Amino acid sequence: AQRVTQPEKLLSVFKGAPVELKCNYSYSGSPELFWYVQYSRQRLQLLLRHISRESIKGFTADLNKGETSFHLKKPFAQEEDSAMYYCALRSSGAGSYQLTFGKGTKLSVIP
Amino acid sequence: EPEVTQTPSHQVTQMGQEVILRCVPISNHLYFYWYRQILGQKVEFLVSFYNNEISEKSEIFDDQFSVERPDGSNFTLKIRSTKLEDSAMYFCASTRWGGADSPLHFGNGTRLTVT
Repeated sequence: AQRVTQPEKLLSVFKGAPVELKCNYSYSGSPELFWYVQYSRQRLQLLLRHISRESIKGFTADLNKGETSFHLKKPFAQEEDSAMYYCALRSSGAGSYQLTFGKGTKLSVIP
Repeated sequence: EPEVTQTPSHQVTQMGQEVILRCVPISNHLYFYWYRQILGQKVEFLVSFYNNEISEKSEIFDDQFSVERPDGSNFTLKIRSTKLEDSAMYFCASTRWGGADSPLHFGNGTRLTVT
């Protein structure tokens, strides 16, 4: 069975400090991994996905298959980054978006 | 930018009652989903729907649940006889295609409270 673990429920950092939101997964196949973000009173939205290797809003995430991790990083946190962040996994070859989510990490950026 | 819309935003119902949650996916999307999030817990997959039939469903999606696309725009989730443990935020989502290059778009959610 696949599983996504986000060990931190809450992460507080000062503005301008580096941020790392941890995500570990358990899956026997080749996973597709995503980060979703939910700002206050807004809908869940895709932040980034590992297959595109992009940087969105200064965030990056690298899939490390050896450590089964997909940590989200940003070198300098901004106040507007305060939100709930969810790591999610999709089993490969799936014809639909059956995502397995982590419990989420609430990021609080202190001004 | 087009959005997935869900109504109502909050639904209160009594245990044992039937409830229908409504969603309007993005108009050119072909795959539709329901997820739910019990307070303080993970977002969990319930069901996916494509070409007018269920393509996948989780263990949570038992006989009390059903989905329907009654017309060209709406996508509904029905809970036949609600239980206290059905209280959760229910999210509808849609994608244009099934591949990972087609992002999943979520609605704002319907908060269901069963009393």
